[in-house]
Amino acid sequence: RKEVEQDPGPFNVPEGATVAFNCTYSNSASQSFFWYRQDCRKEPKLLMSVYSSGNEDGRFTAQLNRASQYISLLIRDSKLSDSATYLCVVNKGGSYIPTFGRGTSLIVHP
Amino acid sequence: NAGVTQTPKFQVLKTGQSMTLQCAQDMNHNSMYWYRQDPGMGLRLIYYSASEGTTDKGEVPNGYNVSRLNKREFSLRLESAAPSQTSVYFCASSVLAVRDEQYFGPGTRLTVT
Repeated sequence: RKEVEQDPGPFNVPEGATVAFNCTYSNSASQSFFWYRQDCRKEPKLLMSVYSSGNEDGRFTAQLNRASQYISLLIRDSKLSDSATYLCVVNKGGSYIPTFGRGTSLIVHP
Repeated sequence: NAGVTQTPKFQVLKTGQSMTLQCAQDMNHNSMYWYRQDPGMGLRLIYYSASEGTTDKGEVPNGYNVSRLNKREFSLRLESAAPSQTSVYFCASSVLAVRDEQYFGPGTRLTVT
């Protein structure tokens, strides 16, 4: 099993739709979790950190399920500008090496 | 406040040539990283520096060397470039390794022929 797994998609949704991505991780000692957004041919940029209690930032909600070892990202009221690749990142306990998932592609169409 | 800067933006090398990719951050971050990104492979860590004066191998270090010149600068050297090193290289930094989010530079697109 890969350390961090994401469905590559693409997820093709209309404007205004709600879409959710999951990211599973294999190391139960993982401590820190993040979602990044990467536009085509650009650098990844932090979208949000994922806290144990879950967190929300406008249309975006991130949650952590330690028991099942996954994190999720929910996007409500999708905009055309949300089209991008979404990367999850997991930092393992006892290691300085962050592990990136391969990303989930989202395409929002009119 | 420029964040993380990388030079050059693009580079074409012939097999066997050497080059150094430069990275600098002005956020007073302790940790710095070098990644490569290939289609379908995601971001893979080459080397990292958890703090000034330390460097460690990541997932794919073979064929590369690094130098943490000071707190701001972290360079990546290809001693003898190979076509397999054709990739997009990203530098990143964070306040502290493990716990904190990373900030990325704009990337260097390297082609080795």
